[in-house]
Amino acid sequence: NAGVTQTPKFRVLKTGQSMTLLCAQDMNHEYMYWYRQDPGMGLRLIHYSVGEGTTAKGEVPDGYNVSRLKKQNFLLGLESAAPSQTSVYFCASEGRQETQYFGPGTRLLVL
Amino acid sequence: DAKTTQPNSMESNEEEPVHLPCNHSTISGTDYIHWYRQLPSQGPEYVIHGLTSNVNNRMASLAIAEDRKSSTLILHRATLRDAAVYYCILDGGSQGNLIFGKGTKLSVKP
Repeated sequence: NAGVTQTPKFRVLKTGQSMTLLCAQDMNHEYMYWYRQDPGMGLRLIHYSVGEGTTAKGEVPDGYNVSRLKKQNFLLGLESAAPSQTSVYFCASEGRQETQYFGPGTRLLVL
Repeated sequence: DAKTTQPNSMESNEEEPVHLPCNHSTISGTDYIHWYRQLPSQGPEYVIHGLTSNVNNRMASLAIAEDRKSSTLILHRATLRDAAVYYCILDGGSQGNLIFGKGTKLSVKP
């Protein structure tokens, strides 16, 4: 039981490049979330999903897209990366009583 | 969404109890009180949650005021590994509304 895993752990992009961050969970959870965390700040919700095939916008969705084609996977895409998207990205899935389980994070640097 | 207020930082000595306060004066009747913590360079980790009654688990205790407008996370014997940022969060049950503020940075001195 790996819980929530994220790939890659670290990535450097040039402005305008695209990439996809992968989140996987093996707990059979319906709800999954993508957050970003900037230095000295709390987490901010980007997008979330309440089940396979569904997604919704969070607090800071601009510049990101998501897909939930399989229940266990939640993908976060950056179509044209910008320096403002330099951040640490955390994925989470939600279990009983709204308890969220987080992955180890992906550190993204956009030059 | 209801907001929480926490001190920016606190210090504790190793093996002493730590009481981390949280004010949430606008809490609604259906909001659960969640506590998470984030160790350096790691993702947040669930600590404990409750609705009205005090709660205990292997990590900590949660004391909830009778009017539910404040709560306190209690670490009974702080260890160096407990040094982290602790977040107090209200969750009304709607998807995606765990709102993380800046939390309380706990330092533990040996």
